[in-house]
Amino acid sequence: SQQGEEDPQALSIQEGENATMNCSYKTSINNLQWYRQNSGRGLVHLILIRSNEREKHSGRLRVTLDTSKKSSSLLITASRAADTASYFCATGLNDYKLSFGAGTTVTVRA
Amino acid sequence: DSGVTQTPKHLITATGQRVTLRCSPRSGDLSVYWYQQSLDQGLQFLIQYYNGEERAKGNILERFSAQQFPDLHSELNLSSLELGDSALYFCASSAASGGPNTGELFFGEGSRLTVL
Repeated sequence: SQQGEEDPQALSIQEGENATMNCSYKTSINNLQWYRQNSGRGLVHLILIRSNEREKHSGRLRVTLDTSKKSSSLLITASRAADTASYFCATGLNDYKLSFGAGTTVTVRA
Repeated sequence: DSGVTQTPKHLITATGQRVTLRCSPRSGDLSVYWYQQSLDQGLQFLIQYYNGEERAKGNILERFSAQQFPDLHSELNLSSLELGDSALYFCASSAASGGPNTGELFFGEGSRLTVL
């Protein structure tokens, strides 16, 4: 079973709008990562947030982490057509496995 | 380009056959991870190696095996193939040893296996 679950499963937005997706997980974590996957390609790391951090920024990306609610959110601001992809959260646990959620598919319309 | 190389990119074979997928990690990375991605199962962790030693095992079938060689490249062997084994198989590498220190993974472009 997946440790992390993204919500929503799919998201369609207009270019220039913001996209927000959420990730919920079940057990305590050491860190949480977000990855992007373009159709049929390998995953690309976007950002890592540690369990003692609450917010992190990278360019147009903003990630928050709420360990009390066991949830994280990824915000993409001013979206572009190139942001069309699937986005996955991954949780790092003590058992050496990096577990991925099912992903959110984002479509940015021109 | 992540620096992780996977071969072959595409593979079509028949049920009952055996295939070997190969992965060369980024230069200097000691950890190699294998993942299976299918439409119905999502991205499933199979196995992790660190500097030649198995570190973690996930949902890897007994028909599947892997190893990491002294030059750090890794191979995933899939035998007695079934239709349900059709999937994208990803290799990823990391400088970290895994566990609490699992950091950024660098993914290859995957090997797409089709079993007919």
